Amino acid sequence: AQSVTQPDIHITVSEGASLELRCNYSYGATPYLFWYVQSPGQGLQLLLKYFSGDTLVQGIKGFEAEFKRSQSSFNLRKPSVHWSDAAEYFCASSGGSYIPTFGRGTSLIVHP
Amino acid sequence: NAGVMQNPRHLVRRRGQEARLRCSPMKGHSHVYWYRQLPEEGLKFMVYLQKENIIDESGMPKERFSAEFPKEGPSILRIQQVVRGDSAAYFCASSPRTGAGSNTDTQYFGPGTRLTVL
Repeated sequence: AQSVTQPDIHITVSEGASLELRCNYSYGATPYLFWYVQSPGQGLQLLLKYFSGDTLVQGIKGFEAEFKRSQSSFNLRKPSVHWSDAAEYFCASSGGSYIPTFGRGTSLIVHP
Repeated sequence: NAGVMQNPRHLVRRRGQEARLRCSPMKGHSHVYWYRQLPEEGLKFMVYLQKENIIDESGMPKERFSAEFPKEGPSILRIQQVVRGDSAAYFCASSPRTGAGSNTDTQYFGPGTRLTVL
């Protein structure tokens, strides 16, 4: 069974600092990979997705993610974090199935 | 184009009552998925439906839970005789269709229904 691991439960950064959220997946072939953001009391919003092609994917709100097959990773990055980026971030993989497997999430805290 | 709609946004039930959660997919989407999110956990798949068909219910508890997506109207997730452990956020997502290697694999989520069982 495939799995998605987000090793960091909480990440704290200062506003304006760079951000990297880690995501590792387990799947034999190339999976479909997603990053979602969830603000408190809200649903999940799709930030970006990777299906094939260029391994560096650009998303909304200035986010990007890089697929690295050798490391089974799909880390999310942003060069300069804004206070409004504080939220819960979920990585998901749907390789081989139409049903994505979600990581448990990383809570991003932004200090002024 | 309106997004995925869910209602109610908050639902309070006493133990033993029934909970009905509704989901209207995005326009043009014919596939609906239900997920449950417990505090500080990721989303857990429950059921996948197309119009008038349950495609995959491998994540649904065997008892008390049921789901439907009729030809007309929203998808309904029904929980009978609720217990405190059913308290969670329930999210619905929709997609145009499933497929391999295309945008149709992307699911778009609604705002969720937060169920509290007293």
